[in-house]
Amino acid sequence: DGGITQSPKYLFRKEGQNVTLSCEQNLNHDAMYWYRQDPGQGLRLIYYSQIVNDFQKGDIAEGYSVSREKKESFPLTVTSAQKNPTAFYLCASTHGQGQETQYFGPGTRLLVL
Amino acid sequence: QKEVEQNSGPLSVPEGAIASLNCTYSDRGSQSFFWYRQYSGKSPELIMSIYSNGDKEDGRFTAQLNKASQYVSLLIRDSQPSDSATYLCAVRSGTYKYIFGTGTRLKVLA
Repeated sequence: DGGITQSPKYLFRKEGQNVTLSCEQNLNHDAMYWYRQDPGQGLRLIYYSQIVNDFQKGDIAEGYSVSREKKESFPLTVTSAQKNPTAFYLCASTHGQGQETQYFGPGTRLLVL
Repeated sequence: QKEVEQNSGPLSVPEGAIASLNCTYSDRGSQSFFWYRQYSGKSPELIMSIYSNGDKEDGRFTAQLNKASQYVSLLIRDSQPSDSATYLCAVRSGTYKYIFGTGTRLKVLA
């Protein structure tokens, strides 16, 4: 079954701690994205990556970091510099070669202890 | 700032009625438009995509696009309680940039 997996489903962060959210896809998609969703708000773009070893900041990149060492994987680290990290985090991907539909993983809910 | 606007709702319709969801966008150069359904606590799932002016039908769903008015809509015929969810409008603005509206909450009353 092709798709996008995210783990964990729930993540708890302590004050001053960095945490990493996993995103893996087996769709052979080139482009991958991280969004943050807060209650009553639309999806806001954190980072995106068009190809391996390349990524760009989105609208709200401060306090976050990413890597793209493999085509299948695009992990997101929420650093201690992100002062309000409680949100629903969504990973998405697109084929990136003229096929534009964006598909989403199941999401990770991050909560602060 | 490029924007996508949706009425937050809730939009309440009786079971079996037609639900009409609307979306306007500010980037006149946008070429691709998407409707996603999102159940509470879940991730968005694609309902429809539309790229050309006019109507596109898929089962009970019809997407309508009017680029001159910068307006895209989603009609849901024979609405069912299982259609109760938040519907997100998304617009592709640039090669890799997607802009999402805040969503319209739909409630289908049995």
